[in-house]
Amino acid sequence: QITLKESGPTLVKPAQTLTLTCTFSGFSLSTSGVGVGWIRQPPGKALEWLALIFWDDDQRYSPSLKSRLTITKDTSKNQVVITMTNMDPVDTATYFCAHTQTGIKRYFDYWGQGTLVTVSS
Amino acid sequence: DIQMTQSPSSVSASVGDRVTITCRASLGIGTWLAWYQQKPGKAPKFLIHTASTLQSGVPSRFSGSGSGTDFTLTISSLQPEDFATYYCQQADSFPRTFGQGTKVEIK
Repeated sequence: QITLKESGPTLVKPAQTLTLTCTFSGFSLSTSGVGVGWIRQPPGKALEWLALIFWDDDQRYSPSLKSRLTITKDTSKNQVVITMTNMDPVDTATYFCAHTQTGIKRYFDYWGQGTLVTVSS
Repeated sequence: DIQMTQSPSSVSASVGDRVTITCRASLGIGTWLAWYQQKPGKAPKFLIHTASTLQSGVPSRFSGSGSGTDFTLTISSLQPEDFATYYCQQADSFPRTFGQGTKVEIK
């Protein structure tokens, strides 16, 4: 059974760096083809894909946020970490992590429950 | 980036109605398209992949079709638990992109 859970601060100040951790079970990021992505959703708005990391450490980023994002993995801890620098109130959103794969199964088939991050002074 | 445009943005329907949601990609994506259902306060649920393949456990009243740039999600007979927001997402290329969502509301 695949599960994912996001953790991190619920409140950050403008200009600070946000660090979120996705802790997962039921799969390994050392398995060929496996990936974990991050998606966010501002209150009342649509889903926005942020970044993705694969088993082979291939990293992909949203071009509009690439300069602010870093995604890393710790295979031994079954964790993926995303950092976003220079946070702004417009970054207030629920942040989700999700399981994916390469090839024909390249969709987000399992999601965490999400964590709401508010950016405010 | 490939832009995904859904229509309508919202639809009011009654239990038993047939509902169709359209998703258009700004470039051809083959059949690399997924549909997700999201209820308030919950994570999206993966419904359909490769444009028309139902994920395991998804009721057969849901169906997807299309290829290239034009796709549809159809709910053949709307049930009370289907009132939610639906998103399409392309998986043809990076960056992955989602549609803006279609809210299915109770009439």
